[in-house]
Amino acid sequence: NAGVTQTPKFQVLKTGQSMTLQCAQDMNHNSMYWYRQDPGMGLRLIYYSASEGTTDKGEVPNGYNVSRLNKREFSLRLESAAPSQTSVYFCASSFGDSREKLFFGSGTQLSVL
Amino acid sequence: TQLLEQSPQFLSIQEGENLTVYCNSSSVFSSLQWYRQEPGEGPVLLVTVVTGGEVKKLKRLTFQFGDARKDSSLHITAAQPGDTGLYLCAGSYNTDKLIFGTGTRLQVFP
Repeated sequence: NAGVTQTPKFQVLKTGQSMTLQCAQDMNHNSMYWYRQDPGMGLRLIYYSASEGTTDKGEVPNGYNVSRLNKREFSLRLESAAPSQTSVYFCASSFGDSREKLFFGSGTQLSVL
Repeated sequence: TQLLEQSPQFLSIQEGENLTVYCNSSSVFSSLQWYRQEPGEGPVLLVTVVTGGEVKKLKRLTFQFGDARKDSSLHITAAQPGDTGLYLCAGSYNTDKLIFGTGTRLQVFP
């Protein structure tokens, strides 16, 4: 049972490049989330998906897009990367909403030069 | 913007010592979670508290929810090097999203 799987683990981009972070869960969870973690700022919600086919903005959505491809997969896309998007990105899932237990992936460390 | 403040930000102690980490807000939580995060990994849920005054124990860890549901504490008895990590509280304010605190980074030396 893999839980939540994120790829890639590390990525370096140049300003203006685009990339997609992939996330998949095998726990049959309904809700999926993308967070970013910056030093001294905790985890901030970028986007979430309460169910297949729906997505909603979180606290810091600017510069990002998401796709809930199916119940298992939730991807995060940076269309034109900026240095301010240098961060560690975490995907998470839960059976119900986020007041229930969140299961996190191991993160993607992204540097934008 | 709802804020969850954690203190202290950093804590460095010797094995065997006791410690307490605090999580505070000016708003009332409907529920509060505590997570531990180890380097290179995502956070892992330790406990959820929902009732004011509630106390939960997980081995050497004791979690308390304030009577007014605005604050919480995590007390570790006889800390071990395996307790090293980032401790995060996360509160729900009657919405379906969590707000995470800034975290307390704990280092326990042998």
